[in-house]
Amino acid sequence: KAGVTQTPRYLIKTRGQQVTLSCSPISGHRSVSWYQQTPGQGLQFLFEYFSETQRNKGNFPGRFSGRQFSNSRSEMNVSTLELGDSALYLCASSWEGEANTEAFFGQGTRLTVV
Amino acid sequence: AQTVTQSQPEMSVQEAETVTLSCTYDTSESDYYLFWYKQPPSRQMILVIRQEAYKQQNATENRFSVNFQKAAKSFSLKISDSQLGDAAMYFCAYWGQAGTALIFGKGTTLSVSS
Repeated sequence: KAGVTQTPRYLIKTRGQQVTLSCSPISGHRSVSWYQQTPGQGLQFLFEYFSETQRNKGNFPGRFSGRQFSNSRSEMNVSTLELGDSALYLCASSWEGEANTEAFFGQGTRLTVV
Repeated sequence: AQTVTQSQPEMSVQEAETVTLSCTYDTSESDYYLFWYKQPPSRQMILVIRQEAYKQQNATENRFSVNFQKAAKSFSLKISDSQLGDAAMYFCAYWGQAGTALIFGKGTTLSVSS
């Protein structure tokens, strides 16, 4: 079956703009999580959606938001981009979002803010 | 709060040799899961091995095995018969009872030489 698909793969934006990233989970998976990966901070959890509801949120400013649709696809939005938002954004899907089920990751979206 | 520490930013190994990557974690929870993920240059995170804290037996997956020391809060990964394809960044991760997110260490870059 198809894996987790993230689009776009690469993105260049200007400071102050907003951006929307998309994640299509594996068919049947209802949980989608988002992570930010930077060389300095490593991998940090942004938020998790399950059945269109945000279940958990990391320690990021309100400029970072997300949503999940009825088909489990998820989007994350970053408004008023800052240089420090340059990162690899990874999404992971799993059946229930529980630790006893495997989380499958997409290849990520590389966001560069200039 | 739970933390995961990987004290080796870089490791190297010769083909066919064995290498051990270290990971320690801090938690007050009694039930949790620990993971090792591999991130090759393609950026896609791949689950290597998973350990459930309530299981005393160390997990193994082909050439990959762990040494789980619950009292010491240590979770090392041993790669036997190393192959060129093992070259990647390896992340240790924790998933606790209360959360719906993985907590990652900063990663160890493994290089494999022939």
